[in-house]
Amino acid sequence: KQEVTQIPAALSVPEGENLVLNCSFTDSAIYNLQWFRQDPGKGLTSLLLIQSSQREQTSGRLNASLDKSSGRSTLYIAASQPGDSATYLCAVRIQGAQKLVFGQGTRLTINP
Amino acid sequence: DTGVSQDPRHKITKRGQNVTFRCDPISEHNRLYWYRQTLGQGPEFLTYFQNEAQLEKSRLLSDRFSAERPKGSFSTLEIQRTEQGDSAMYLCASTYGFGVDEQFFGPGTRLTVL
Repeated sequence: KQEVTQIPAALSVPEGENLVLNCSFTDSAIYNLQWFRQDPGKGLTSLLLIQSSQREQTSGRLNASLDKSSGRSTLYIAASQPGDSATYLCAVRIQGAQKLVFGQGTRLTINP
Repeated sequence: DTGVSQDPRHKITKRGQNVTFRCDPISEHNRLYWYRQTLGQGPEFLTYFQNEAQLEKSRLLSDRFSAERPKGSFSTLEIQRTEQGDSAMYLCASTYGFGVDEQFFGPGTRLTVL
């Protein structure tokens, strides 16, 4: 059974810092991995998707990496802003399956 | 195209009542998914459709839950005889079903069972 873990559960940093969010998964046979952002009481916004054959994806100030063999992904946020405050969720899609398996998320607070 | 939409956004009901939620996927998306999210947790998969066919159901989907996708367009999720433990955010997502296959989520329906 695929399990996804995100550490830390919460993170608070001052504005302007670069930061890294971590995601680990137990089964390396994945099809892809997605990072999402969720604002309080809202739905999920897809940030980045990494295919199993890729090592990283970049979008603006965000960079996500994938190391399948070690079962890890990181989301790097450069020059953090108060508007980046949200919960960040990673989710993996197992090979041969359609559903996403989610971690519990990291609640990020950027202090002005 | 405005993305995945869900209706209603909020629903408050009394225990024992039936509720129905609707999801309209992004047009031309073949696959539609339902997830449930409780406070402080990541979403958990409930079920998914390929066009009008329901291809997988989670064990979380008890016999009080039923989902349909008539004509392969919008989908409905019905909960019969609601219980307080059903209180959660119900999220819908859709994908093309091929290629990159990125899942796009709707705003969710927040259910509160009193």
